[in-house]
Amino acid sequence: DTGVSQNPRHKITKRGQNVTFRCDPISEHNRLYWYRQTLGQGPEFLTYFQNEAQLEKSRLLSDRFSAERPKGSFSTLEIQRTEQGDSAMYLCASSLSRGRETQYFGPGTRLLVL
Amino acid sequence: AQKVTQAQTEISVVEKEDVTLDCVYETRDTTYYLFWYKQPPSGELVFLIRRNSFDEQNEISGRYSWNFQKSTSSFNFTITASQVVDSAVYFCALSEIRGDTGRRALTFGSGTRLQVQP
Repeated sequence: DTGVSQNPRHKITKRGQNVTFRCDPISEHNRLYWYRQTLGQGPEFLTYFQNEAQLEKSRLLSDRFSAERPKGSFSTLEIQRTEQGDSAMYLCASSLSRGRETQYFGPGTRLLVL
Repeated sequence: AQKVTQAQTEISVVEKEDVTLDCVYETRDTTYYLFWYKQPPSGELVFLIRRNSFDEQNEISGRYSWNFQKSTSSFNFTITASQVVDSAVYFCALSEIRGDTGRRALTFGSGTRLQVQP
């Protein structure tokens, strides 16, 4: 039984650098979500894919952020020119768009921007 | 806009005590889902339960029980006979169906940190 996986689990970078995170959803899940979680807060929605189509982006997703899901399988989230305010846990979730929909989360990637 | 409020920031209990975590939500939709997730120190969000807006039956699963009251827009979570392993942050979340994209957005509360002391 493979759940949602994310890589890397931790990333430390210097301000101004670009970073890329990867998410591998549960294999039969066609929906994939990215969330961001800062300390002491609940996750906040960033963006959503159904198969390979990016259907929605939150206002939190500035133009420095880009996400892709080629071939509707894994997804990547890239942050360009990182800022200290980007430091957070980035969570990926996947779900099946049939019937009751429950999002299952990966372990997250914790980003620290120095 | 939808909103989830978890007024209890942190709760500390002694093992074997019962504890209730409160969740109040706001939504304009008539069809929605409510969830509880557990986030242990490892960081991964673990799904606990989903409840749809049409079903107000309370649910019990082992030591866990959930009380959904539409009239007060609340979805409270009770742990009976708490154990040290229950120590975690618990999040309540609301999911609405978006007609345009079909997306069921998850809006989370700010979480309640539960510490169970031995």
